[in-house]
Amino acid sequence: EAEVAQSPRYKITEKSQAVAFWCDPISGHATLYWYRQILGQGPELLVQFQDESVVDDSQLPKDRFSAERLKGVDSTLKIQPAELGDSAMYLCASGPDSGNTIYFGEGSWLTVV
Amino acid sequence: DQQVKQNSPSLSVQEGRISILNCDYTNSMFDYFLWYKKYPAEGPTFLISISSIKDKNEDGRFTVFLNKSAKHLSLHIVPSQPGDSAVYFCAASANSGNTPLVFGKGTRLSVIA
Repeated sequence: EAEVAQSPRYKITEKSQAVAFWCDPISGHATLYWYRQILGQGPELLVQFQDESVVDDSQLPKDRFSAERLKGVDSTLKIQPAELGDSAMYLCASGPDSGNTIYFGEGSWLTVV
Repeated sequence: DQQVKQNSPSLSVQEGRISILNCDYTNSMFDYFLWYKKYPAEGPTFLISISSIKDKNEDGRFTVFLNKSAKHLSLHIVPSQPGDSAVYFCAASANSGNTPLVFGKGTRLSVIA
């Protein structure tokens, strides 16, 4: 069964350092999402891509977060500089163009110390 | 303001009995609803969905009921098994599922053997 791939699974970084997460969606899925989940909360949308275009990044803290999906396939989410409050699980999900169910990767755990 | 609410943070059920997880929503534009299951340190896994044109959808041991007038949905698991112990997230979308999912905070289900 096709899966959404994410790396790294776990990352510990110091405050003010840069960190990046990578996501490879299910083949053929046009829509890609980055969500953030803080412990005890539900996932919250950071950014949505349709192919290589950003559809919604209204909740992305653009002073420190950036996301790209240059060729409309895989995607990178970057945080620079990281802050203590960024400690969370970063989830990538993808969905087909005509579907309305999205599928998540295993997530990337970030701890900022 | 939370648009999707799961008011029970946790639920304990005996193995073999029925588990009922509840979800309320406030946005009347939501027309597609999903349930995801999440184990610790893993990404959410899609369980079951329902469109607003239906009031019930069943898949094996899992049934989702939708009451549009009350803006309420519930997930029934019967019979409950120890492997069902996880956090369950309710999610909703508008425009036939073409807008990003909005998640509740989750309910932790513990199935006791």
